[in-house]
Amino acid sequence: QLQLRESGPGLVKPSGTLSLTCTVSGGSISGSTYYWGWFRQPPGKGLEWLGSIYHSGSTLDNPSLKTRVTISVDTSKNQFSLSLTSVTAADTAMYYCARPLSSAYEYSDSWGQGTLVSVSS
Amino acid sequence: EIVLTQSPGTLSLSAGERATLSCRASQSVGASYLAWYQQRPGQAPRLLIYGAANRVIGIPDRFSGSGSETDFTLTISRLEPEDFAVYYCQHYGSSITFGQGTKVEFK
Repeated sequence: QLQLRESGPGLVKPSGTLSLTCTVSGGSISGSTYYWGWFRQPPGKGLEWLGSIYHSGSTLDNPSLKTRVTISVDTSKNQFSLSLTSVTAADTAMYYCARPLSSAYEYSDSWGQGTLVSVSS
Repeated sequence: EIVLTQSPGTLSLSAGERATLSCRASQSVGASYLAWYQQRPGQAPRLLIYGAANRVIGIPDRFSGSGSETDFTLTISRLEPEDFAVYYCQHYGSSITFGQGTKVEFK
């Protein structure tokens, strides 16, 4: 059973950088043919995709956030990470890591439980 | 970028009733790349339907998806108490977008 767990600071100062890590267990990032992604959901609002990464390091980007988002992968630790720069209060949200659907051949996905990140001084 | 518009925003129904949720895409979407999610308060999204009409293993058969091109529908044939939640449609592939959600609430 694939499991994902987000970790990182729950509070980030405005203009700072939000950094989160997703640890994958029950499966190998390097041994998979899947993409691994980050999503977020502001309180009381809908879901937004931030971007995805393949084990090779190849990324799929959300054009609206591309200049602020960096996603990286560390296959030796079976982890992938999110960096979001120049944060404001609008970036306060529940952040989820996931193994999302990304092709017509996939029929399941997996999500972490999410971690709440607040942007405040 | 494909924009997904869901309607209605809120659906007020009673247990046992039929729920019909709509998702319209701004341009033609390959049916293979349209999914539906359920999200209960405090929980991560749960995949119900992939490829527009394929139910995920373990999802009750009261959930069904249909549609093609730009118009897609999620139907819940008879609402159970645990089905009152927010539902999102999603386009996936080389990019991922979500509709704004439909809340199914107790009437």
